[in-house]
Amino acid sequence: AQTVTQSQPEMSVQEAETVTLSCTYDTSESDYYLFWYKQPPSRQMILVIRQEAYKQQNATENRFSVNFQKAAKSFSLKISDSQLGDAAMYFCAYRSALQTNTGKLIFGQGTTLQVKP
Amino acid sequence: GAVVSQHPSRVICKSGTSVKIECRSLDFQATTMFWYRQFPKKSLMLMATSNEGSKATYEQGVEKDKFLINHASLTLSTLTVTSAHPEDSSFYICSARSGVGDVSSYNSPLHFGNGTRLTVT
Repeated sequence: AQTVTQSQPEMSVQEAETVTLSCTYDTSESDYYLFWYKQPPSRQMILVIRQEAYKQQNATENRFSVNFQKAAKSFSLKISDSQLGDAAMYFCAYRSALQTNTGKLIFGQGTTLQVKP
Repeated sequence: GAVVSQHPSRVICKSGTSVKIECRSLDFQATTMFWYRQFPKKSLMLMATSNEGSKATYEQGVEKDKFLINHASLTLSTLTVTSAHPEDSSFYICSARSGVGDVSSYNSPLHFGNGTRLTVT
């Protein structure tokens, strides 16, 4: 079974600074997807960024980028120029690419990010 | 973009009663929907996978007779918490896959509802 681990329950960053959230995962599959979701106090789940395992290039979305290390099974999220609106709980998630899988997401424990003005 | 509507957003019920939560895909057809449960400041735990026209697939440890799931159409899945108890109080979130055209496809992204906060007194 696949597992996702976020070892940082809480992180804080000064506004305009850069912060990196860690995520590791365990799987025996070679093809899969990885995601970072943001959950603000409204509890709405918002997709931040997505990475396909077969792609070597790290995904980027504006101020958000990932460091995907497939061999190490590591998938960290870097937030540059942090803004107050980035304060939220962040979840790393895994999804199998196998067609026989249901496509369900497996989430890590979450990291609460505090942004200090 | 694809929208998933979840209703109600909050519900308070008495112990022993049943509560139904609806999850609707508003602008796409979702053959598969997922139901998650989230405790305060904790992760989302998958409860079950809801498939249109067939029985739901429950995760290990989830009581299927207590958490009844019905996926009667391509746009609606419901979760009924039967004989609710205070320990069932939690935040329940549904998600559905959108896709090309009107039908969800396997590799399309998941969209989440806004969640339902259930409080059982």
